[in-house]
Formats: sequence, structure tokens, C-alpha cells
Amino acid sequence: KQEVTQIPAALSVPEGENLVLNCSFTDSAIYNLQWFRQDPGKGLTSLLLIQSSQREQTSGRLNASLDKSSGRSTLYIAASQPGDSATYLCAVRQGGNQFYFGTGTSLTVIP
Amino acid sequence: DTAVSQTPKYLVTQMGNDKSIKCEQNLGHDTMYWYKQDSKKFLKIMFSYNNKELIINETVPNRFSPKSPDKAHLNLHINSLELGDSAVYFCASSQSGGNQPQHFGDGTRLSIL
Repeated sequence: KQEVTQIPAALSVPEGENLVLNCSFTDSAIYNLQWFRQDPGKGLTSLLLIQSSQREQTSGRLNASLDKSSGRSTLYIAASQPGDSATYLCAVRQGGNQFYFGTGTSLTVIP
Repeated sequence: DTAVSQTPKYLVTQMGNDKSIKCEQNLGHDTMYWYKQDSKKFLKIMFSYNNKELIINETVPNRFSPKSPDKAHLNLHINSLELGDSAVYFCASSQSGGNQPQHFGDGTRLSIL
């Protein structure tokens, strides 16, 4: 059974710093991996989706990479801002419309 | 315009009651989902549904049942509510096909007294 882990569970950085969030998964037979952010009391907002055949995706200050064979993905956030403070979740999609989420990384960017 | 909307946002009820949560999406997607987020913020898929098939996570009790009157709606009915059902329930939608992103509603916080 697929297990998705995110490290660290919480991260606090000063504004302007670059940072990396990690996501690992145990079964490499995935269709894609998606990164989300969740603000308190809100739903999930999709940030980036990487197909299993891709190595990375970029959107603005965000860059996500995927190494399927080693079961790892990273989300790189450049020049962090206080508005980036949120919980970041990764999720892998497998066959049969099965989605498995990580436990999330709670990010705080200090002004 | 809200893409995926859920009602109610909060639901407080007593053990043993039957309740429903409604979900609507205006994105034209053909697949909808229900997720449960527990107190530790762990998200787990409960159902996925399109006009072809309903896929149920085998760990979901049969007290939970999705009902889809049309492609834009997927409601969640829960019978005989239990204390352990307290959680935040999220609805999501996507276009079918392996690599389409999911869009989430803001969640319904269900509290069982």
C-alpha cells in the first residue's frame, strides 16, 4: 500500500529565504504527483502537478521536481514571503482513481 | 465565482442522526471526490465518482453514501452518525484523464456531540 511522507512536519524561515519541502512515496507506480497548499479553515489549492514522465514543473517562484524511481519529490520556493505561510501537501495518484496524501509541512515565513 | 462549493460549512449534530453534505462544481468537470481530513490533518479519499463508475475506498463504512443527481453535484449522506465521524469533509473535482489537477471546496466541519 502506498505511503506518502513529508519532512519536515513544520518549518519556520525568515522572509526572503529560499526553501525546499520534501515528499517521499513508497510505490513508484504513480500517474502523477501534485503539490497543494492549504490555508487555515480552507480547502486545498493546487500549485503544481508533475506527470510521471516529467522531471519538474515550474510556476512563478515555485519549482517542483520528481524522481519517480527513488520515490521523491521536492517543492522549491524561492524568495519566500509571509503570504507563503500555509500547510503544503503532496499527493500521488495511482490507478483506480486512488489518491494518497502526505501529512503536510506547515510553513511559517517570518517578516 | 466559487468553483467547488460545499454546504454547510459547519455541521453540529448528535450521535445517531442522519445528515447530508452538498457539493456543487461549476468547472464542467466529470469526476468528483469526497475526502475526510482527521484531527491530525491527514487527508484520505473516501469516494471518487464520474458518470461511469463509483470507486469506494474499502475502509469507508457503508453508513456513508454518495449521491449524484447530475454531473455537477455529488452529495454525501451519512447515516447513524458516530463520534469518530467528527472531521472536516472536503469535496473535490477534476476532469477525467490521468493528469488533470483536482480542485477542492473549502470543507465542511462536522462535529458530533
